[in-house]
Amino acid sequence: DAMVIQNPRYQVTQFGKPVTLSCSQTLNHNVMYWYQQKSSQAPKLLFHYYDKDFNNEADTPDNFQSRRPNTSFCFLDIRSPGLGDAAMYLCATSQDYFQETQYFGPGTRLLVL
Amino acid sequence: KNEVEQSPQNLTAQEGEFITINCSYSVGISALHWLQQHPGGGIVSLFMLSSGKKKHGRLIATINIQEKHSSLHITASHPRDSAVYICAVREIQGAQKLVFGQGTRLTINP
Repeated sequence: DAMVIQNPRYQVTQFGKPVTLSCSQTLNHNVMYWYQQKSSQAPKLLFHYYDKDFNNEADTPDNFQSRRPNTSFCFLDIRSPGLGDAAMYLCATSQDYFQETQYFGPGTRLLVL
Repeated sequence: KNEVEQSPQNLTAQEGEFITINCSYSVGISALHWLQQHPGGGIVSLFMLSSGKKKHGRLIATINIQEKHSSLHITASHPRDSAVYICAVREIQGAQKLVFGQGTRLTINP
């Protein structure tokens, strides 16, 4: 059974048109992460939540926002996608920060036209 | 200098060969993760290590904390093992996030 679910798996949007990516988890984990991964690069952390405590990385562009309305769901909003935002977006969860396995979703591949 | 470096970056081998992928890091860590990413994007966590050695089936992971080095071994490799293998560490300072290596692209030919 899928434990970290991302929808949609593929998203095509137009330059400047807001888009929302969704992640849900059935693990009841405290921590949820959003990563951006561009071709042949390592995943780059954008945000993480411990419960509702939000943390964004210093270099995450303001164009990216996130919401976590409850334990199970987390959303990534891209307010005005640019061509450079085309990437795979990965959601992950862990029970806690320390010495905990991260469970990754299948990713959403975003294409910006 | 990257905090986490993997070698080799690319590796091609024949089915059945013994595979070793190396990871070196430069910071104090609380844990090291080996991850597998297949084409299409999904990442699977293979191992989390803080010391010693772990084995799951044909996969073996070792870590030497003093030398700041870890290896992932695959015995009797198979074409389905073809994937990108990523080493990631959780630093003692700033433990909320993983620091990723660039990955090793492994191709196993039949």
